[in-house]
Amino acid sequence: DAKTTQPTSMDCAEGRAANLPCNHSTISGNEYVYWYRQIHSQGPQYIIHGLKNNETNEMASLIITEDRKSSTLILPHATLRDTAVYYCIVGFSGGYQKVTFGTGTKLQVIP
Amino acid sequence: GAVVSQHPSWVICKSGTSVKIECRSLDFQATTMFWYRQFPKQSLMLMATSNEGSKATYEQGVEKDKFLINHASLTLSTLTVTSAHPEDSSFYICSAPTGGDEKLFFGSGTQLSVL
Repeated sequence: DAKTTQPTSMDCAEGRAANLPCNHSTISGNEYVYWYRQIHSQGPQYIIHGLKNNETNEMASLIITEDRKSSTLILPHATLRDTAVYYCIVGFSGGYQKVTFGTGTKLQVIP
Repeated sequence: GAVVSQHPSWVICKSGTSVKIECRSLDFQATTMFWYRQFPKQSLMLMATSNEGSKATYEQGVEKDKFLINHASLTLSTLTVTSAHPEDSSFYICSAPTGGDEKLFFGSGTQLSVL
């Protein structure tokens, strides 16, 4: 069973920041938060992950609340190519834990 | 980043035939790979965990005799859909974890259509 809750869909204007929330209130102390996205008819793509500190890479930023019960993925300048389904997943680092996907958030970037 | 190659990208077959899908890790070794199935407008559903040199672990409700998984080397896992039927038509995706932080890299997926 997925351990995260995400809004079903969101819209974002092109060029603006897209903020995608995720609730993971049952996350355990050593579980990481991972974000993936799936563009239509393609395999999912890894975006970013974190444990408790905020993280940033070339694709996005990840903000994790202090209590770690929720997080936000930020795409700083959304483009049309960012239109995709975004999945927030919690899991352990190491040990090859199987990953269960929830329903994700369908982000539509609007021109 | 790491690359997972999946072939074929799409396949059409007749009902009753078998189809093999390959998943390769191109620049890293994968002792574990995961196979997912995705129906239109639905999320990915984990089918099985493929383990190099040992039997695959199937999720509840997935028929192991119908979906044969072989992981004979550290870079190759195959999924064979045996005696395919139209209801097996779906998008099949493989993935492999890499690195100490266990992020997953995914293949591009295989669209199977059974006529």
